[in-house]
Amino acid sequence: GAVVSQHPSWVICKSGTSVKIECRSLDFQATTMFWYRQFPKQSLMLMATSNEGSKATYEQGVEKDKFLINHASLTLSTLTVTSAHPEDSSFYICSARHRLKNIQYFGAGTRLSVL
Amino acid sequence: AQSVTQPDIHITVSEGASLELRCNYSYGATPYLFWYVQSPGQGLQLLLKYFSGDTLVQGIKGFEAEFKRSQSSFNLRKPSVHWSDAAEYFCAVGDESNFGNEKLTFGTGTRLTIIP
Repeated sequence: GAVVSQHPSWVICKSGTSVKIECRSLDFQATTMFWYRQFPKQSLMLMATSNEGSKATYEQGVEKDKFLINHASLTLSTLTVTSAHPEDSSFYICSARHRLKNIQYFGAGTRLSVL
Repeated sequence: AQSVTQPDIHITVSEGASLELRCNYSYGATPYLFWYVQSPGQGLQLLLKYFSGDTLVQGIKGFEAEFKRSQSSFNLRKPSVHWSDAAEYFCAVGDESNFGNEKLTFGTGTRLTIIP
């Protein structure tokens, strides 16, 4: 149980285009989902926290207009990288906090390559 | 602000040998502590967690960790490693001041290599 599905697992896009990444909790409800960014051989950096039905809370230094987060239901959150540029290339990982447990379950990540 | 230090960037262990991965944290109150494992190109899998109570915590895959408040440490151990344990290991601390929506602060990770 407690599976988080992240899609797509890998995406290549041209500079200037937008990319949407989905994060779904498959067998549990998640009132809170988190989006992280991970650079090669580095740790995870929290980008934003999203609560179902409300606006996301972004960490300092994260551009909210570039990284649009929507958490429309208890099982789905999306991250849209708008007008992507090569410096946005990274590994993006989502996590979902189980509504009944104090544990974050992680998706498998999305590798974004912007050409 | 909370922080996590994993002093060992890379550790190499022989298969069957014991393992200890170090984690030190900085936090003003009682921390929520976690160990996660990440295989290449994958997300993170929770190995174990400490919220309160018994300071020796058992996790999955034969791992355990001990919370030592006096040393601000939460080291991960395994008595006998298997080749499949090769991965990146992350220690994390949660902010209890916002219980239920706590943010996790991760250490920089320790890469574990297993040799035959």
